[in-house]
Amino acid sequence: SAVISQKPSRDICQRGTSLTIQCQVDSQVTMMFWYRQQPGQSLTLIATANQGSEATYESGFVIDKFPISRPNLTFSTLTVSNMSPEDSSIYLCSVEQGPPDTQYFGPGTRLTVL
Amino acid sequence: AQTVTQSQPEMSVQEAETVTLSCTYDTSESDYYLFWYKQPPSRQMILVIRQEAYKQQNATENRFSVNFQKAAKSFSLKISDSQLGDAAMYFCAYSQDSNYQLIWGAGTKLIIKP
Repeated sequence: SAVISQKPSRDICQRGTSLTIQCQVDSQVTMMFWYRQQPGQSLTLIATANQGSEATYESGFVIDKFPISRPNLTFSTLTVSNMSPEDSSIYLCSVEQGPPDTQYFGPGTRLTVL
Repeated sequence: AQTVTQSQPEMSVQEAETVTLSCTYDTSESDYYLFWYKQPPSRQMILVIRQEAYKQQNATENRFSVNFQKAAKSFSLKISDSQLGDAAMYFCAYSQDSNYQLIWGAGTKLIIKP
């Protein structure tokens, strides 16, 4: 399976600021995904990022709040904009690789907003 | 809409013993995939095992095996010879064939008693 890294691994931010999370994969992948995991909860898909096209956002998530870039087949960024304490979560990227419909995840970014 | 239910918020087992985690799902589709993911305190989501719905044979990965009952829409995970490193949140997930979106259960926290 792909080796996936995320930066930063954790951060503490002030409300009203923005944070950009990077996701790097060691091989080319078509589909990358961004998830949010709120404390004690399961995962919620934010958006799907395919190289060469605009990200597709799930209901409840908008581009102005969570802009995503996908400049090539091994890299993506998620920005959490104008943060509030409600944005405190773990953010994970994943890629679809290998057996169909199988996703592998990065180590996650733990975000705390004060 | 598809749903995934994990009815056990928490399970505990003595080290070296066997434990079974339950998962049921609801779908009207015939082709789909089921997954168990493990999330230790390090927060990385790790794929444990994958089952294709068209395969009658239950998937196994070393000490991990599943009991897939398609008619009953049940997909339980058995962990044999439990080890301290198995302590984690375990999430059951569903994916419809050719549809990337994963539907997640709420998770089961597994505690291993030394």
